[in-house]
Amino acid sequence: QVQLVQSGAEVKKPGASVKVSCKASGYTFTSYGISWVRQAPGQGLEWMGWISAYNGNTNYAQKLQGRVTMTTDTSTSTAYMELRSLRSDDTAVYYCARVLVDGGTVTYFDYWGQGTLVTVSS
Amino acid sequence: EIVMTQSPATLSVSPGERATLSCRASQSVSSNLAWYQQKPGQAPRLLIYGASTRATGIPARFSGSGSGTEFTLTISSLQSEDFAVYYCQQYNNWPCFGQGTKLEIK
Repeated sequence: QVQLVQSGAEVKKPGASVKVSCKASGYTFTSYGISWVRQAPGQGLEWMGWISAYNGNTNYAQKLQGRVTMTTDTSTSTAYMELRSLRSDDTAVYYCARVLVDGGTVTYFDYWGQGTLVTVSS
Repeated sequence: EIVMTQSPATLSVSPGERATLSCRASQSVSSNLAWYQQKPGQAPRLLIYGASTRATGIPARFSGSGSGTEFTLTISSLQSEDFAVYYCQQYNNWPCFGQGTKLEIK
């Protein structure tokens, strides 16, 4: 069965960086993309961007451009999301999700990781 | 940028009754719309994609309709496990979500 297992909770100081991992199993990793979605406490879902596990192509949400990098390691079927220059409003649960790509267009998210809480606090 | 607006913000319905949730796009997204269910402390779960196609394992009481800018998620007979927050998401352009509708027990 398809599973996405994320790394554990992190506590970071403002200005630091965080790198969250997402290990996939149960499907051919390079046949799909991975998107990252975050959710601030008590708030809705925010799409952060995606990476093609096939060729490493990425697209990031405009508000995060320059601070976020998404990568994959196909040898271990693992995706990573690094967010730099952390601020207090980056405190959120970060989810990875498998995404179908149709003709280069990111579509919907059919499997999700369990989420990783990142807390930014001095 | 496409903006997704869900209504109502909170919907109170009794078990066994029908629930109708709405999602409006600021411009046409064709049928490129998905619905998700999220329970407290859990990741979202895909319910519907392509505006009306149920995802694998989703009960038939969940149905989606609409195209263009107006979409509806209907739950025909509410079960206790259906009380949650529901999000719509368009993927006609870069993905974005509505702000969610909380479905609570009346």
